[in-house]
Amino acid sequence: QKEVEQNSGPLSVPEGAIASLNCTYSDRGSQSFFWYRQYSGKSPELIMFIYSNGDKEDGRFTAQLNKASQYVSLLIRDSQPSDSATYLCAVNNPSTSGTYKYIFGTGTRLKVLA
Amino acid sequence: DAGVIQSPRHEVTEMGQEVTLRCKPISGHDYLFWYRQTMMRGLELLIYFNNNVPIDDSGMPEDRFSAKMPNASFSTLKIQPSEPRDSAVYFCASSFGRNQPQHFGDGTRLSIL
Repeated sequence: QKEVEQNSGPLSVPEGAIASLNCTYSDRGSQSFFWYRQYSGKSPELIMFIYSNGDKEDGRFTAQLNKASQYVSLLIRDSQPSDSATYLCAVNNPSTSGTYKYIFGTGTRLKVLA
Repeated sequence: DAGVIQSPRHEVTEMGQEVTLRCKPISGHDYLFWYRQTMMRGLELLIYFNNNVPIDDSGMPEDRFSAKMPNASFSTLKIQPSEPRDSAVYFCASSFGRNQPQHFGDGTRLSIL
């Protein structure tokens, strides 16, 4: 089992719809959760971060965290063609050695159809 | 505000040559990360520093890879000797605090012939 899993997609949604991106993680001790957007040929760009169970909203974006079920999701409302990109989920886990492990999923490719 | 600055943006070199990638983190950030991204393996953490000290280098693939951070505003990732399988995009990122979001540079696209 991968430590951070995402469906590779592509996830296709029509313009104006809600896009729902999901991520599951294996380490129950995970503390911080991040969503990055990466356009082709560009670097990852932070979209949202969440630390506590529940929802966190920022404009058209909502991050949802459920630690009991070990998943984190990203909802994009009123999807636009400019949202077409790969979305990376990242998790921060404390390790037994006292360091931290920063693990990225392989990403979900989102296509918003005009 | 200046973001994370990486150089060079592109590097093409022949197998066996030494490659040095450079990174300037965001001023005030105390964590610096080096990642490698390939289609096959995605984004992999190679090493990270806290206050210029290497904390976890378990992601460094081989002894051919080394990283240094001589001061708070500069870090290098060196590959010697380089091999074709090292071809990838290498990203540097920095953050203020260990649980905080990371800010990525534009990356260095490395091609080893």
